[in-house]
Amino acid sequence: EPEVTQTPSHQVTQMGQEVILRCVPISNHLYFYWYRQILGQKVEFLVSFYNNEISEKSEIFDDQFSVERPDGSNFTLKIRSTKLEDSAMYFCASSEEGRVGTEAFFGQGTRLTVV
Amino acid sequence: GESVGLHLPTLSVQEGDNSIINCAYSNSASDYFIWYKQESGKGPQFIIDIRSNMDKRQGQRVTVLLNKTVKHLSLQIAATQPGDSAVYFCAENRDMRFGAGTRLTVKP
Repeated sequence: EPEVTQTPSHQVTQMGQEVILRCVPISNHLYFYWYRQILGQKVEFLVSFYNNEISEKSEIFDDQFSVERPDGSNFTLKIRSTKLEDSAMYFCASSEEGRVGTEAFFGQGTRLTVV
Repeated sequence: GESVGLHLPTLSVQEGDNSIINCAYSNSASDYFIWYKQESGKGPQFIIDIRSNMDKRQGQRVTVLLNKTVKHLSLQIAATQPGDSAVYFCAENRDMRFGAGTRLTVKP
């Protein structure tokens, strides 16, 4: 069964450093998403991406964050100058269609720890 | 603002009993809803979806009911099993945003 894969599973970084979280969406999917989940809290939408550009972003997704699809298979989330409060699980998801009418498939997540 | 949220944060049931998890939404324009299950340490996993032109949809052991009049949907799990223990989220697909979730615990 096709799945969304994320690497690394756990990333530890020092405050102020840049991190890149990587995702390989399901191959025939066209819409990609990043979410984060702070420990014990709800899943929060960060950004959606379609046709090589951001289609929607939340208030969390500020200038510290960026996304990129550098090639035909990877989808990355870059966090510049990480802060302690960026520590969370980050989930990538993909779907065949956007917004309405389709489920999104999630990866297993990357646990980011900022120290 | 518009939101998708859960009535109860926790639910504990006996194995074999039926479970009902509730969700309220406030955006009357919402026309597609999904229920996700999240097990500890894992990403959300799709369970079942429903469009606003339906009021009921059944899957394997799960049923989703939609009441557009009161903007409420529920997830019913029949014969709940220990493997059903997880956090359950409803999401409104228009902006893929989640409610806070309900933690379901199944007692053997």
